[in-house]
Amino acid sequence: AQTVTQSQPEMSVQEAETVTLSCTYDTSESDYYLFWYKQPPSRQMILVIRQEAYKQQNATENRFSVNFQKAAKSFSLKISDSQLGDAAMYFCAYRRNSFGNEKLTFGTGTRLTIIP
Amino acid sequence: DVKVTQSSRYLVKRTGEKVFLECVQDMDHENMFWYRQDPGLGLRLIYFSYDVKMKEKGDIPEGYSVSREKKERFSLILESASTNQTSMYLCASSPWDSPSGNTIYFGEGSWLTVV
Repeated sequence: AQTVTQSQPEMSVQEAETVTLSCTYDTSESDYYLFWYKQPPSRQMILVIRQEAYKQQNATENRFSVNFQKAAKSFSLKISDSQLGDAAMYFCAYRRNSFGNEKLTFGTGTRLTIIP
Repeated sequence: DVKVTQSSRYLVKRTGEKVFLECVQDMDHENMFWYRQDPGLGLRLIYFSYDVKMKEKGDIPEGYSVSREKKERFSLILESASTNQTSMYLCASSPWDSPSGNTIYFGEGSWLTVV
């Protein structure tokens, strides 16, 4: 079974600084997707960034980028120029790549606080 | 925009009551999911469905059942609510045949308190 581990229950960062959230996962599959989701206080889950395992290039979305290390099964999220609106719970998630009814497996989350 | 609607945002129920949590999606998605979210445990899958009248157990199905009579609607049922089912419940949906790594669309969650 796949597992996703987030070892940092809480993180904080000064506004405008850079922060990195860690995620490791365990799978025997070679083809899969990894995701970072953001959950602000409104509780609406928002997709931040997605990485396809067969792509070596790290995904980026504006101020958000990942460091994907497939051999180490590591998938960290870097937030640059942190803003107050980035404060939220962040979940790392894994999904096997196949058509059909594949579920997302989530980590336990990291609560990110932005210090003004 | 895809919309996943959970009809009840906040519920308070008594121990032993039968509880229905309703979820509706408007994008004709085949897959629908119910997750439970608890502090320190993240999101855990309760049940999912990939077609009308089809269901599969997730990681924590005990104490729950589901119903999918129509494609757009997926209901989570607590036959006899207990205090340890006090939690946040998230519904989600996704298409079957997304070729490039589909994303899952979430509702806003239902807070259930069992007293």
